[in-house]
Amino acid sequence: AQKITQTQPGMFVQEKEAVTLDCTYDTSDPSYGLFWYKQPSSGEMIFLIYQGSYDQQNATEGRYSLNFQKARKSANLVISASQLGDSAMYFCAMREGIQGAQKLVFGQGTRLTINP
Amino acid sequence: DTGVSQDPRHKITKRGQNVTFRCDPISEHNRLYWYRQTLGQGPEFLTYFQNEAQLEKSRLLSDRFSAERPKGSFSTLEIQRTEQGDSAMYLCASSLGGGGARAEAFFGQGTRLTVV
Repeated sequence: AQKITQTQPGMFVQEKEAVTLDCTYDTSDPSYGLFWYKQPSSGEMIFLIYQGSYDQQNATEGRYSLNFQKARKSANLVISASQLGDSAMYFCAMREGIQGAQKLVFGQGTRLTINP
Repeated sequence: DTGVSQDPRHKITKRGQNVTFRCDPISEHNRLYWYRQTLGQGPEFLTYFQNEAQLEKSRLLSDRFSAERPKGSFSTLEIQRTEQGDSAMYLCASSLGGGGARAEAFFGQGTRLTVV
């Protein structure tokens, strides 16, 4: 069964510093996708970045990058030059395979607080 | 079309009452998902539609819950005889089918249900 683990309930970072949010996963499917979503207090889940299990390079999207270590089954999110607006809940999620429902399985999230 | 929209945004109901939520997905998306998110947790999958067909239901979806997507466009989620344990954020997401594990899910802002 799929499982996502986020071990950091909360993180506090000074503005402009880089921050790494941890995510480990467990799956027996060789084909899967890993996602990071941001959830501000308004409630909407905002897609940040995607990494496919067969992708050779780590994904990057602007200030977001994904440190994908397949052998360790980890997919950590790195936010560079943090901003006050980055304060939010962050969720790591996984989707298995290319068939079926392709539902996302989420971790419990990390609450990131950026201090001025 | 500006994204996935959900209505209402907030709902307070008395225990035992029925409630219905609506989700309008992104128009060209054939897949629609419902998730439930309780305080401090990540979203949990409830059910999934491909076009008008409901193809998968989670065991979380008790017989008091029913979801429909009658014409393959908008969807409704009804909860009958609400209980206090139903209090949660109900999130709707849509995606394009056929994108494999990459198929990005776009989420609405959710409906926050409070059962008193």
